[in-house]
Amino acid sequence: AQSVTQLGSHVSVSEGALVLLRCNYSSSVPPYLFWYVQYPNQGLQLLLKYTTGATLVKGINGFEAEFKKSETSFHLTKPSAHMSDAAEYFCAVIHSGGSNYKLTFGKGTLLTVNP
Amino acid sequence: DAGITQSPRHKVTETGTPVTLRCHQTENHRYMYWYRQDPGHGLRLIHYSYGVKDTDKGEVSDGYSVSRSKTEDFLLTLESATSSQTSVYFCAISAGQYPTGANVLTFGAGSRLTVL
Repeated sequence: AQSVTQLGSHVSVSEGALVLLRCNYSSSVPPYLFWYVQYPNQGLQLLLKYTTGATLVKGINGFEAEFKKSETSFHLTKPSAHMSDAAEYFCAVIHSGGSNYKLTFGKGTLLTVNP
Repeated sequence: DAGITQSPRHKVTETGTPVTLRCHQTENHRYMYWYRQDPGHGLRLIHYSYGVKDTDKGEVSDGYSVSRSKTEDFLLTLESATSSQTSVYFCAISAGQYPTGANVLTFGAGSRLTVL
């Protein structure tokens, strides 16, 4: 079974600072990886995804993530935080349940942006 | 949350009562999912459906049942609600199997259930 570990349940940064949210996965087969964002009282929105091809993936709102197979990581970064980035972020990995695929989510990282 | 409607959005009920949450989609997507979200646990899959009348269990299916009689509707039922089922429930849809580019989850706005 595949699993996802998000290091740090809460990350706090200053506005304009680098955002780094960490995600590691366990997988016995090539993974498909996702980052979702959840703003308060809303559902989850897809930020970016890695399936195949380029290991550096760019998403919405200036976020990007790099798939590093040797490190089994898929960390999310943004060069300069905005107040509007304050939200909870979830890393997720595909796993196969028989003939059907399902996402397994990490426990989430709450990002706080300080003025 | 375009194309996905969850109802009710908020519900308070008592232990032992039955509860049904509804997810309605207008995207004609084949796959539908029910997740629950709890602090410190992230999102956990309860049940999912891969077609009309085709459903399967997720990782936390005990105490829940589902039904899908039409493509657009996926119902989650708590036969006898317990306080441990107090949670926020999210419905999600996808066009098909991973990992093709179109097959990512789109989520509803959530249904907050409180069991007293």
